[in-house]
Amino acid sequence: DAGVIQSPRHEVTEMGQEVTLRCKPISGHNSLFWYRQTMMRGLELLIYFNNNVPIDDSGMPEDRFSAKMPNASFSTLKIQPSEPRDSAVYFCASSLNGVSGNTIYFGEGSWLTVV
Amino acid sequence: AQSVTQPDIHITVSEGASLELRCNYSYGATPYLFWYVQSPGQGLQLLLKYFSGDTLVQGIKGFEAEFKRSQSSFNLRKPSVHWSDAAEYFCAVGAAGTASKLTFGTGTRLQVTL
Repeated sequence: DAGVIQSPRHEVTEMGQEVTLRCKPISGHNSLFWYRQTMMRGLELLIYFNNNVPIDDSGMPEDRFSAKMPNASFSTLKIQPSEPRDSAVYFCASSLNGVSGNTIYFGEGSWLTVV
Repeated sequence: AQSVTQPDIHITVSEGASLELRCNYSYGATPYLFWYVQSPGQGLQLLLKYFSGDTLVQGIKGFEAEFKRSQSSFNLRKPSVHWSDAAEYFCAVGAAGTASKLTFGTGTRLQVTL
């Protein structure tokens, strides 16, 4: 059974460029989470969706960040324009019905470097 | 609001020694508690979780954790550490509800000496 699939695994881009990170959650899961991990701030929840609807985007740093979930099997996190301080590992995770009695499964992350 | 504190940033133990990683949480109701492990360059893997019932939970790789409501703690233990256990360990707390989220601690980096 495939886990959470993220792409790209690694990306290096120049400041000002648009970055799109993609995520395919585990089939059947209806909750999806985007996390960012940095040395300074640890793991931060950026946004989470339930049944394709954004429930809480309070962790999205600023307007340069946007996330969509057009269907149950796909989500994107977009940064436009990107800045060096956006360099981090971005994790997508999914679960069945949030956290209640269920496990959140993480993808292997998208390692973003903005130069 | 829920929060998690992992007071130890870095711990070093000898291979074969016992291990205890501390985790304290803050949450008004009964929490859902998790321990995840992250090896360098990898994603997060679930070690174990507590939702209800027996307060001592067993996980993978020989790890266990004990939920102590009176101390708001969920410490992770292993009786004998292996060199391959060197990694970063994250404690996390979740809230009840279908559209809930997971809040992570800052992590504890475990170094194992031979």
